[in-house]
Amino acid sequence: EVQLVESGGGLVQPGRSLRLSCAASGFTFDDYAMHWVRQAPGKGLEWVSGISWNSGSIGYADSVKGRFTISRDNAKNSLYLQMNSLRAEDTALYYCAKAVGAAAGTVTFDYWGQGTLVTVSS
Amino acid sequence: AIRITQSPSSLSASTGDRVTITCRASQGISSYLAWYQQKPGKAPKLLIYAASTLQSGVPSRFSGSGSGTDFTLTISCLQSEDFATYYCQQYYSYPGYTFGQGTKLEIK
Repeated sequence: EVQLVESGGGLVQPGRSLRLSCAASGFTFDDYAMHWVRQAPGKGLEWVSGISWNSGSIGYADSVKGRFTISRDNAKNSLYLQMNSLRAEDTALYYCAKAVGAAAGTVTFDYWGQGTLVTVSS
Repeated sequence: AIRITQSPSSLSASTGDRVTITCRASQGISSYLAWYQQKPGKAPKLLIYAASTLQSGVPSRFSGSGSGTDFTLTISCLQSEDFATYYCQQYYSYPGYTFGQGTKLEIK
């Protein structure tokens, strides 16, 4: 059974940093690209970032480019999102999502975690 | 960035009804469109990808159609468990995947 478990969320002040983690199990992690998608409270879905199976292709939404860094450790079956210079508008539930293929582009997401909540507020 | 306009934003229907949700892309995306279902407090669930391919395990009452810029999700005979929020997503343009605004399907 595929499982994705996010962690690392919490309350953080504007301008500070936070690192999210996603622990994957139930599939061969290094065969698949992984993505982060967020959802602000009561709002829709927003794609944040994606990384290919070997970290060779990485992409970011314009809203987080230059502030967020995605990475993965295939030996640990883990995905990460380093979030710097956080803003109030980054407040959201952050989902880790498994892509249906190894490439980061032109793929959908067939499994999602339950999310970790990030609240940016003073 | 490719914009996705999803309509309606909300929809009331009864069990057994047939409902249709549409998404329009601001430019052609071939068939790179997916549909997700999200229930309150839960993660999204993939229903359809490549505009019309049913994800494994998804009931056949769900169907998708379209290509280019116009797409539809149809639920042929609503069941109680189908009342949820539905999102379309284009995955043609990377980086820069975008989702529709969502359609909340409620019980009439």
